[in-house]
Amino acid sequence: AQSVTQLDSQVPVFEEAPVELRCNYSSSVSVYLFWYVQYPNQGLQLLLKYLSGSTLVKGINGFEAEFNKSQTSFHLRKPSVHISDTAEYFCAVTRMDSSYKLIFGSGTRLLVRP
Amino acid sequence: KAGVTQTPRYLIKTRGQQVTLSCSPISGHRSVSWYQQTPGQGLQFLFEYFSETQRNKGNFPGRFSGRQFSNSRSEMNVSTLELGDSALYLCASSSDAGTSGRSAYEQYFGPGTRLTVT
Repeated sequence: AQSVTQLDSQVPVFEEAPVELRCNYSSSVSVYLFWYVQYPNQGLQLLLKYLSGSTLVKGINGFEAEFNKSQTSFHLRKPSVHISDTAEYFCAVTRMDSSYKLIFGSGTRLLVRP
Repeated sequence: KAGVTQTPRYLIKTRGQQVTLSCSPISGHRSVSWYQQTPGQGLQFLFEYFSETQRNKGNFPGRFSGRQFSNSRSEMNVSTLELGDSALYLCASSSDAGTSGRSAYEQYFGPGTRLTVT
């Protein structure tokens, strides 16, 4: 079985500061990894994904994440956040076996203050 | 391309009733998955359909069911509603692995249907 842990339920940060949202996963099989963002009263928007290749992946809105297989982590980073980045961020994994079942972490609320 | 659409966006039902939610995937996408989001349990996988067949199922009671039509549109049904079924129900679509390879694992979500059971 797979599981995803997002240790930080809320991360407050000042505008223009850097931020890192942590994600660790557990799986006995190889997985693909994703970060999604959810704004209030909306669905989930795909921020970025790791499917193969370079372990440093870049996504939309200036976000990037690094896949670390030895530490089973996929932390999300942004060098300078904006007020508009305030949202809930979800890390997710899915098995590489055509299951298409996403296992989500509990989410991290990013609160950007002016 | 238009995104994933879900109808209705909001729904209020009474305990014991049944409800049907609808999802139209992105054009060309053949896989549709459903998720339930609640404050207590977070995001949980309900089921996935591909070519009108249920391919995967999560750990939900039989009151939760779904189906997919030949045009890939999907519906999910919840019978005998309970208060605990109040949630945001999200639909996601993805393309066919046979044509898209690894990209098929990218799932694109709709805005969700907010179900309130009173």
